[in-house]
Amino acid sequence: GAVVSQHPSRVICKSGTSVKIECRSLDFQATTMFWYRQFPKQSLMLMATSNEGSKATYEQGVEKDKFLINHASLTLSTLTVTSAHPEDSSFYICSALSVAGGGTQYFGPGTRLLVL
Amino acid sequence: AQSVSQHNHHVILSEAASLELGCNYSYGGTVNLFWYVQYPGQHLQLLLKYFSGDPLVKGIKGFEAEFIKSKFSFNLRKPSVQWSDTAEYFCAVKEGGGADGLTFGKGTHLIIQP
Repeated sequence: GAVVSQHPSRVICKSGTSVKIECRSLDFQATTMFWYRQFPKQSLMLMATSNEGSKATYEQGVEKDKFLINHASLTLSTLTVTSAHPEDSSFYICSALSVAGGGTQYFGPGTRLLVL
Repeated sequence: AQSVSQHNHHVILSEAASLELGCNYSYGGTVNLFWYVQYPGQHLQLLLKYFSGDPLVKGIKGFEAEFIKSKFSFNLRKPSVQWSDTAEYFCAVKEGGGADGLTFGKGTHLIIQP
């Protein structure tokens, strides 16, 4: 149980385009999901908290107009990187909070974004 | 704000050696503590967690960790490592009781030599 999927696993796009990444909890409902970013050889940095049915909460320094988050259902959160630039190239990882799992976050496999 | 320090960025051990990976955090209130493992090419998996109660926590695959509040530490241990334990290990913390995101340490890359 407690499986989280992400789609796509890899995406290459041109500078200036927008990219949408999906995060799904497959076998549990998650009112709260999180988006992290991981730079090469570095740790995960929390970008934002995605709350079902309400606005996302962004960490300091993360542009909310750049990284649009929508959590329309209890099993799906999406992250849209708008007007992507090469510096947005990174590994984006989502997690879903399982209340039944004692407040544990379960992580998706990540999405590798490369902006040319 | 919380911060998490993992002191060993790279660790190389032989099979059957004992393992201890250090993790210290800075936060004065109630915390929830986690160790995650990331095997090559795979996503993060939960090894173990501490919320409250017995400070010695046992996780999967023979791992355990001890919460020492006075030292703000949550070190990960395994008495005898295997080649398959080669992976990246992350310590993480969040404020207790809330639906907050995790603050991660920089990770420790563990290599087990056969």
